[in-house]
Amino acid sequence: QKEVEQDPGPLSVPEGAIVSLNCTYSNSAFQYFMWYRQYSRKGPELLMYTYSSGNKEDGRFTAQVDKSSKYISLFIRDSQPSDSATYLCAMSRYQGGKLIFGQGTELSVKP
Amino acid sequence: DTAVSQTPKYLVTQMGNDKSIKCEQNLGHDTMYWYKQDSKKFLKIMFSYNNKELIINETVPNRFSPKSPDKAHLNLHINSLELGDSAVYFCASSQEGWDTGELFFGEGSRLTVL
Repeated sequence: QKEVEQDPGPLSVPEGAIVSLNCTYSNSAFQYFMWYRQYSRKGPELLMYTYSSGNKEDGRFTAQVDKSSKYISLFIRDSQPSDSATYLCAMSRYQGGKLIFGQGTELSVKP
Repeated sequence: DTAVSQTPKYLVTQMGNDKSIKCEQNLGHDTMYWYKQDSKKFLKIMFSYNNKELIINETVPNRFSPKSPDKAHLNLHINSLELGDSAVYFCASSQEGWDTGELFFGEGSRLTVL
């Protein structure tokens, strides 16, 4: 069993839809949780960062962490074609520590 | 100015050959990494250097040898290439002890072994 599980998709939604992306993990020691976005043929870039449990909102993006369930989510409101990318969750046990990535979910937002 | 740059972007080579990938960052970061992304998009850390010192060395065949001549550069040399080495190799950098989980990635070097 991988430490971090993520449904690879692909996920296709119409423009304007609310998108929900999820990861589960097995290591309860993870405390730092991130979402990276990767456009085709590019390197990943940090989208959201959360420490421990709770929610964090940034514009159309909301990250949620439920440590009791070992489950993290990324919500995208009013999705746009420019949101089409692969979204990778990542997590670490301690600050500055090794990032463990999920497989990534490929998202396509159709106009 | 590109923050993290890797060369070459594409490599196509035969099994058994040796190849190198170079990486440079101009962000002033102390820590640099090599990640491997396979065809299923799994991104896995291979090595991490902090101020030229090897910090993380995952279970990687010793055909892979990183080298950091200074804290702004991290190169990867691969000997005796195998089919399974085909992947995209990403260089990344971060502040030492990152506080927001932000790694800055290059655009990747796509290696195809025939």
